[in-house]
Amino acid sequence: QSALTQPASVSGSPGQSITISCTGTSSDLGDYNYVSWYQQHPGKAPKLMIFDVSYRPSGVSNRFSGSNSGNTASLTISGLQAEDEADYYCSSYTSSSTLLFGGGTKLTVL
Amino acid sequence: QVQLVQSGAEVKKPGASLKVSCKASGYTFTSYAMHWVRQAPGQRLEWMGWINGGNGNTKYSQKFQGRVTITRDTSASTAYMELSSLRSEDTAVYYCAREMNYYGSGRYMDVWGKGTTVTVSS
Repeated sequence: QSALTQPASVSGSPGQSITISCTGTSSDLGDYNYVSWYQQHPGKAPKLMIFDVSYRPSGVSNRFSGSNSGNTASLTISGLQAEDEADYYCSSYTSSSTLLFGGGTKLTVL
Repeated sequence: QVQLVQSGAEVKKPGASLKVSCKASGYTFTSYAMHWVRQAPGQRLEWMGWINGGNGNTKYSQKFQGRVTITRDTSASTAYMELSSLRSEDTAVYYCAREMNYYGSGRYMDVWGKGTTVTVSS
């Protein structure tokens, strides 16, 4: 598989909640709970936001949460803020002992 | 503080080879793995491979197998990524990223370099 499947774009107004999905297969996301989410602002390096499906690294706001069900993982951002506008990538460990990223989702805060 | 400093931008001709360095500081280099990720202009992140900072074991994406070599110099706390037989599609920003050490078995990147811009053009 070349990439995990994410929606190209999502949008929401300040204060609202949005959810970004990430769909894989039984060879990656569907078989491992080693899913992560990265935030990337334009021209910047990615930042780890979620690991092990639903855990936040120290310093990441609790407005960010993750979950999974079957072959689909999800990132939810609650209380949207202007600074959340960025690209978001999911990533999964695979049965080949490699890593696979999603196609990325552009979040627009209206 | 923990940081990864990458080498500067490069312009290469098709068919040439590329070597990008990533110097780590602020932590024990041999206690962490290092990953390499690239991003073509306007495109998604693409995982290339990783190296165990302690024993030097590597794992590469099948897409780059045979063209990529990741090495490290523990005395210099530096990781390297070499990519051969460059083509225009290799034009991208190349990132090194430290793997997070934690209680589990997942592979996550918690510290990233600023990226090295590589342009492949005749």
